[in-house]
Amino acid sequence: EAGVAQSPRYKIIEKRQSVAFWCNPISGHATLYWYQQILGQGPKLLIQFQNNGVVDDSQLPKDRFSAERLKGVDSTLKIQPAKLEDSAVYLCASSRTSLGETQYFGPGTRLLVL
Amino acid sequence: SQQGEEDPQALSIQEGENATMNCSYKTSINNLQWYRQNSGRGLVHLILIRSNEREKHSGRLRVTLDTSKKSSSLLITASRAADTASYFCATDPNTGNQFYFGTGTSLTVIP
Repeated sequence: EAGVAQSPRYKIIEKRQSVAFWCNPISGHATLYWYQQILGQGPKLLIQFQNNGVVDDSQLPKDRFSAERLKGVDSTLKIQPAKLEDSAVYLCASSRTSLGETQYFGPGTRLLVL
Repeated sequence: SQQGEEDPQALSIQEGENATMNCSYKTSINNLQWYRQNSGRGLVHLILIRSNEREKHSGRLRVTLDTSKKSSSLLITASRAADTASYFCATDPNTGNQFYFGTGTSLTVIP
C-alpha cells in the first residue's frame, strides 16, 4: 500500500510570510496527525483528526497555526504569519483507528524561516 | 514538558554488539511504542507494548516495560551499521488525547 505523502519536502520563507503543508494519509486510515519536530528534539503533536473532526489541538499555536481535514482524507496545515522559531520539520502521520495505535509517518516537510 | 525521556542521549557501539536504550515517562499509560528515525527521514514504527505486557520481541528487538517504575528499555541485538539512527519512545497517557515522544537516543553502529 502507498505510504503517507507530504508536500512540499522543503520550504524556505521569510518571517511574517505564510506557508501551507499538505498531507495525504494511507487510504482507509481514519486518524491523521500533524507533528512539529525541532532539530534535536522529539516530535511534538500539534493536532489530531479523527475522520474530519478535531480530537485534540491543545498544543497547536492557534494564533498562527491552522489545520483542516476536509472530507476526512487529506489535510492541510497552515502557518500565518511564520516566526523564526517555526523552523522545524513538520511530520504527518496516520493510523487505522485511534490514538495509541501504530502510526505511519510521511517523509516530512523541512521548513526554514529566515 | 514531554512525557518520555530516553537515556542515553547518544550511544556508539561496534557492529555485532548489543545496544540498550531506556525510556522513562511520567504518568500512567495505555501503551508505549518505539520508533526509529534515520537521518533526514520520517519515523518508522518498531514495536508497540501495551501496559499489561512486560516483554515483547520482534526479530532482533526486545522491549521491556515496567509500569511500576514508569520505564521501558529497547535492546537491539547483533547490531548492524544499518541500525544507525535515532530511536524514540512514545507514550499514550491514559488520560486525555495526547501522544508524547521522548527526546531520543542517537545510536551509531561502527562497521
